[in-house]
Amino acid sequence: GENVEQHPSTLSVQEGDSAVIKCTYSDSASNYFPWYKQELGKRPQLIIDIRSNVGEKKDQRIAVTLNKTAKHFSLHITETQPEDSAVYFCAASGGGSQGNLIFGKGTKLSVKP
Amino acid sequence: DTAVSQTPKYLVTQMGNDKSIKCEQNLGHDTMYWYKQDSKKFLKIMFSYNNKELIINETVPNRFSPKSPDKAHLNLHINSLELGDSAVYFCASSQQGLPSYEQYFGPGTRLTVT
Repeated sequence: GENVEQHPSTLSVQEGDSAVIKCTYSDSASNYFPWYKQELGKRPQLIIDIRSNVGEKKDQRIAVTLNKTAKHFSLHITETQPEDSAVYFCAASGGGSQGNLIFGKGTKLSVKP
Repeated sequence: DTAVSQTPKYLVTQMGNDKSIKCEQNLGHDTMYWYKQDSKKFLKIMFSYNNKELIINETVPNRFSPKSPDKAHLNLHINSLELGDSAVYFCASSQQGLPSYEQYFGPGTRLTVT
């Protein structure tokens, strides 16, 4: 089945700097790659997603890139702000496993003012 | 106007008890899911239902059983609770069976087994 690896597990940046979180997946049949943000004590919420027919997608300060050949995708956050502090999860669709989402283990991002 | 709701928000119980967590979505989605998030924040899918049919059943102990009376509800029943069942359980829903669309999560139920 699908396996998603996410790095780093923790990331600390200064306000205004950029943050990059990287994920790799194992199932070449996976075709959907969402990113979720989870603030402390809250539910995960989708912040951006990308499908396998697209290499890059951007939404204001957030961008995601996908390299299908290498089977990795990355989240880029520019001009970070303290409110970006949260745990970020990448996920990949299960492909042959009837489409279930497999999540990475999360990255705790801390943005220092 | 809560999209996905769960009850209860907190559940404290003793080992060996049986408990249920309820989930309802008012988004008209076809598929609902249950996830377990452990103390290390790992999110793992447990079940999903599409039009009342179980389409995913990961390696979850059979003490856990999902029940869907209709496509707006997916309840989670847990028998003979164990210490290791302590976690936050999230319900979610999406528009189609395939996760090509956003999954909307409920607020979570924090289960503590003592």
